[in-house]
Amino acid sequence: EAGVVQSPRYKIIEKKQPVAFWCNPISGHNTLYWYRQNLGQGPELLIRYENEEAVDDSQLPKDRFSAERLKGVDSTLKIQPAELGDSAVYLCASSLRRDWNNEQFFGPGTRLTVL
Amino acid sequence: GEDVEQSLFLSVREGDSSVINCTYTDSSSTYLYWYKQEPGAGLQLLTYIFSNMDMKQDQRLTVLLNKKDKHLSLRIADTQTGDSAIYFCAERNTGTASKLTFGTGTRLQVTL
Repeated sequence: EAGVVQSPRYKIIEKKQPVAFWCNPISGHNTLYWYRQNLGQGPELLIRYENEEAVDDSQLPKDRFSAERLKGVDSTLKIQPAELGDSAVYLCASSLRRDWNNEQFFGPGTRLTVL
Repeated sequence: GEDVEQSLFLSVREGDSSVINCTYTDSSSTYLYWYKQEPGAGLQLLTYIFSNMDMKQDQRLTVLLNKKDKHLSLRIADTQTGDSAIYFCAERNTGTASKLTFGTGTRLQVTL
């Protein structure tokens, strides 16, 4: 079974430029998560989708960050414009259902460097 | 809010046992998890424990939970070089459904 796929794996951009990350969850997983992991820290949730609906985006900086999951499968996370402090690893995860014991499967992440 | 803390670094010799500790503040935590992150990879779930348990064993892994002290530990028996990674504990409580709150991670270094 294929795991969570993310692309690109690495991205280097100059500040004020836009950037987008893509995630393909495990087939059949209706819950999708985007996390940001700063250097030396644990992941922090940015947004959670149940199918195509964003049900928790309280930690998403909405002035510059946006996300979509139009058909309830793939998802994109966009930053426009990027700032130096956005340098981090952006992780996507998916789970089969939103249950107390659901296991979240993580992708390898996209490492963003903003110069 | 929730807070999860871990020591930053642990070094053990191959064959010894490793014990990674974690403390959390949210008394309503329902599940507590241990994840492993290898360089350049995503997080891999190792094991979890429900808050009404105090111990769970899975092969070389033993999880101990002291709910009174809000202390969680992961013991790895017969530590191997392949166990070198960053280990994150995470908690989920009844009020935040699927949201996981992660600790800062403990880097485990296994030496020969």
